[in-house]
This record gives sequence, structure tokens and C-alpha cells, in this order.
Amino acid sequence: AQTVTQSQPEMSVQEAETVTLSCTYDTSESDYYLFWYKQPPSRQMILVIRQEAYKQQNATENRFSVNFQKAAKSFSLKISDSQLGDTAMYFCAFMRGDDKIIFGKGTRLHILP
Amino acid sequence: NAGVTQTPKFRVLKTGQSMTLLCAQDMNHEYMYWYRQDPGMGLRLIHYSVGEGTTAKGEVPDGYNVSRLKKQNFLLGLESAAPSQTSVYFCASSPYTEMNTEAFFGQGTRLTVV
Repeated sequence: AQTVTQSQPEMSVQEAETVTLSCTYDTSESDYYLFWYKQPPSRQMILVIRQEAYKQQNATENRFSVNFQKAAKSFSLKISDSQLGDTAMYFCAFMRGDDKIIFGKGTRLHILP
Repeated sequence: NAGVTQTPKFRVLKTGQSMTLLCAQDMNHEYMYWYRQDPGMGLRLIHYSVGEGTTAKGEVPDGYNVSRLKKQNFLLGLESAAPSQTSVYFCASSPYTEMNTEAFFGQGTRLTVV
């Protein structure tokens, strides 16, 4: 069975700093997708970034980028120039193409002014 | 576009009562999911469906039943509610495609069982 582990329950950084959230996963599959979702206080789940396992290039979306290490089964999220609006819960998730989506327990990120 | 809509948004139940949560999506997605979110536990999968007429158990299926009679709807039922089922429930859907897949979420239902 696939599992997703987020080892940092909570983090705090100053505004404008760079922060990295960790995620590791366990699977025997070679083809899959990885995601980072953001959940602000509004409770809405928002897709931040997506990575296809077959792509070697790390995904980027503006200030958000990932470090995807397939052999190490690691999928960390880097937020550059952090902003107050980045304060949220962040969930790492795994999906096989024809199956369910599994989430980690989340990292609560606080951006301090 | 409405996306994924959950009904109701809030509900208080007494122990032993039953209820059904409705999830509707208008994106013609094949896959639909029900999760529960509890503090420190992340999102745990209750049941999911990979197509109309099909359902499968997730990580925490006990005490819940589901049905997917129509492609656009995924119902989550609690036959006899227990305080341990107090949680925030999220429905999600995703397309069956190898490209650009992602999960789209409803706004959540806060359920309290007293």
C-alpha cells in the first residue's frame, strides 16, 4: 500500500524568507503523480503544484517549486519569497493513475510579519 | 462552473441518527472520493469510486456507506452516527486521464455528533 509521510507538523518562517516542506512516500509503482495542496483557514483545498513521476524536470509554479527525487521517494516543496497569504496547511499527496489519492498528515505553515 | 458541491455545509446529529451527505460534480469526472479531516490526521480516505456504479473502501470505511448511481453524484451515508464520526468531510473528484490529473474538492461539511 502507498503511504505519504510529512515529518514536519508545524513550521514558522519570516515573511520574504524561503521555506522547504518535506514529503516522502512509499510505493512500488513506477508511474504515478505527486501533488502539493494548500488549505488556508477558509478550509478550501487548493492545488499548488503537480509532478508526474515520469518527468525528470522538477515542476515550478511562480514562487513554488519542488525537488523531486524519485529514487529516494522524496518530494519537497520550496516556497520562495514567502508571503503572509502563504500561511496555511500544506498536504502532500500521491496518486496512481487508475487509483485513489492518498494524503499525508499535513504541515501547518505560519508566515510571520 | 460549480465544480464540486457538497450538501449540507454544516450538520449536528444526535448519536444513533442517520444522515446522507451529497456530493455533486459537473465536470464529468470519472473518479470521486470521500475524505474525513481530523486534527493531526490529515485527510483520510473513507470510500471512493472509479466510475458510475462502482465503489471501493478506503482507509477508514467502517460506519459509512456510499453509492454512485449517477456519474455526477457520490453519496456518503452514516447509518447510526457516533461521536467518533465528528469531523470535517470533503468530497473530491478527478478525471480519468494520464495528463493533467488532479483532485478538485468541495468546500467541506462540518459534522458534529453529540
